[in-house]
Amino acid sequence: EVVLTQSPATLSLSAGERATLSCRASQGVSNFLAWYQQKPGQSPRLLIYEASNRGAGIPDRFSGSGSGTDFTLTISSLEPDDSAVYYCQQRISGWTFGPGTRVEIK
Amino acid sequence: EVQLLESGGGLVQPGESLRLSCAASGFAFSNYGMAWVRLAPGKGLEYLSAISGSGETTFYADSVKGRLTISRDNSKNSLFLQVHSLRADDTAIYYCAKEQGFRLPFDHWGQGVLVTVSS
Repeated sequence: EVVLTQSPATLSLSAGERATLSCRASQGVSNFLAWYQQKPGQSPRLLIYEASNRGAGIPDRFSGSGSGTDFTLTISSLEPDDSAVYYCQQRISGWTFGPGTRVEIK
Repeated sequence: EVQLLESGGGLVQPGESLRLSCAASGFAFSNYGMAWVRLAPGKGLEYLSAISGSGETTFYADSVKGRLTISRDNSKNSLFLQVHSLRADDTAIYYCAKEQGFRLPFDHWGQGVLVTVSS
């Protein structure tokens, strides 16, 4: 089973700052890595698929990079509405989610 | 517009069974794999089960294997999840989700249905 770890667990930044979220896989997943955003009381929203492709309607301040075992989600300039939990998910072998990173806007 | 609408949740007693449904619209249902994912209080997203577009192939997370049965009725654009021997730690919001394609993530999610397991 592919295990995903995410860091940090919580990220507290001010609006306008750059956020960098990490996802590491226990074994290589090629580029079969996605990122989701989930706000309280809402369903998850697909942000990034195949490591670096933005989902439908996702603003370009969200970007993904990486391949193999190490991946990054970058939010170039945080907005108050970006406060949420962000999950990575692999799709090379079954389906696995990471534990999530909570992003708080100061 | 893709829509996924779950139903069948509620308060159930430990040991009971429950059948969740997901009504899909706005896309060619039989062409896409579907899945169930849950979010327990204070926890993260947990993949539970998936099913191919034809319904011929099913997958289950090791943590729930043996207690879940996923199925679909393509004639009715519907997805189902039967959960047996419910436990308190099955309390969660259960989401149905549509796959974007082979080895691609979930591009559409339902609003979720709450299942509470308590005596």
